Amino acid sequence: AAGVIQSPRHLIKEKRETATLKCYPIPRHDTVYWYQQGPGQDPQFLISFYEKMQSDKGSIPDRFSAQQFSDYHSELNMSSLELGDSALYFCASRRWGSYNEQFFGPGTRLTVL
Amino acid sequence: DQQVKQNSPSLSVQEGRISILNCDYTNSMFDYFLWYKKYPAEGPTFLISISSIKDKNEDGRFTVFLNKSAKHLSLHIVPSQPGDSAVYFCAAKAGANSKLTFGKGITLSVRP
Repeated sequence: AAGVIQSPRHLIKEKRETATLKCYPIPRHDTVYWYQQGPGQDPQFLISFYEKMQSDKGSIPDRFSAQQFSDYHSELNMSSLELGDSALYFCASRRWGSYNEQFFGPGTRLTVL
Repeated sequence: DQQVKQNSPSLSVQEGRISILNCDYTNSMFDYFLWYKKYPAEGPTFLISISSIKDKNEDGRFTVFLNKSAKHLSLHIVPSQPGDSAVYFCAAKAGANSKLTFGKGITLSVRP
């Protein structure tokens, strides 16, 4: 079965650089969630989208922005990167309106040097 | 403010025995609870869930119990197998489309 695809899997950036993470949801899933997991921490919700509209917003820094496109894939744009942005970034998808679980991608490991 | 709490960071059990992973929550608005299993360098994998209108849900070796009055849930794995060794996250949400709120996870080690 198709799963959530995230790219790149690993990314190394310098401080103050920008990064773009991509998420391709499971086919027919219209809702995407982004989570950030710092070292030894639980995943923290950043932002979610349904039908290209932001549906909820969590602890996402103003330096970050995200969007969902017409094919339902989503991109997380991160600017002025800081050392503290080093983390695993997970994307999850599901179909809006059901109680189905969120299906997670393998994550992107971002390292800021 | 940790709304989902997994107070034990680790658990070690013998193969074949029962593993009991506990989770507490504070938000009364949570109406759906999920357990995810995570291996290093992989995303969380859904394991089992329970709605707040139920007190038990079973799927093979995995059973989740919910005690709403105590705001407590537990995951039972019987019998435990070495392949169950992983980090287990308890998660909760308030509403069908809402975000997941995670606990800090518990590392389960199943000894052969």
